Amino acid sequence: ETGVTQTPRHLVMGMTNKKSLKCEQHLGHNAMYWYKQSAKKPLELMFVYSLEERVENNSVPSRFSPECPNSSHLFLHLHTLQPEDSALYLCASSQEVSRWPNEQFFGPGTRLTVL
Amino acid sequence: AQSVTQPDIHITVSEGASLELRCNYSYGATPYLFWYVQSPGQGLQLLLKYFSGDTLVQGIKGFEAEFKRSQSSFNLRKPSVHWSDAAEYFCAGLFSGGYNKLIFGAGTRLAVHP
Repeated sequence: ETGVTQTPRHLVMGMTNKKSLKCEQHLGHNAMYWYKQSAKKPLELMFVYSLEERVENNSVPSRFSPECPNSSHLFLHLHTLQPEDSALYLCASSQEVSRWPNEQFFGPGTRLTVL
Repeated sequence: AQSVTQPDIHITVSEGASLELRCNYSYGATPYLFWYVQSPGQGLQLLLKYFSGDTLVQGIKGFEAEFKRSQSSFNLRKPSVHWSDAAEYFCAGLFSGGYNKLIFGAGTRLAVHP
């Protein structure tokens, strides 16, 4: 596979469930990102990882827990979510967070529905 | 503060008509600028980007964009729209500092009438 892949593409979960979103990049990049895209709102940056270290947490509630075990994989662990967390979650990667310019490549997203 | 603005939330054009989607940015210097397209249920696809040099940038699918420093704008154009161009379009700016943040506009949803 090439580029940035995300699994699953669709996820329906109850508020008491625990689930995880997975992102994998095959571009040899060192930085990875989670974005949230809600209806009628601009894309919101959630987390930024550089070489497996979290460098940005954009005031995201603790019910979202990211994990970056290596520079190719990024997870978003979900726990006790609310219906308003239903959204498209997009993963992206770039060569380095501090590289200029820092072009980001996006995955297809996971459509999450919280019941 | 850094920002990207897309003034038009929805635009409807007839198939074969020309298209211009507006994008303005607010920043002390020139950011790097991007246009992405998102079809329903899909992720973001890069249409084109401007880093420096020629202010008229050619992209995929027949799109082009023109950077105008005096107007802080980076408008997307297409001379003849096809029904398959119906989608949501996002302008984004890459602003230097820290981890070089990518900031998106709110998006413009394009509908194409036959």
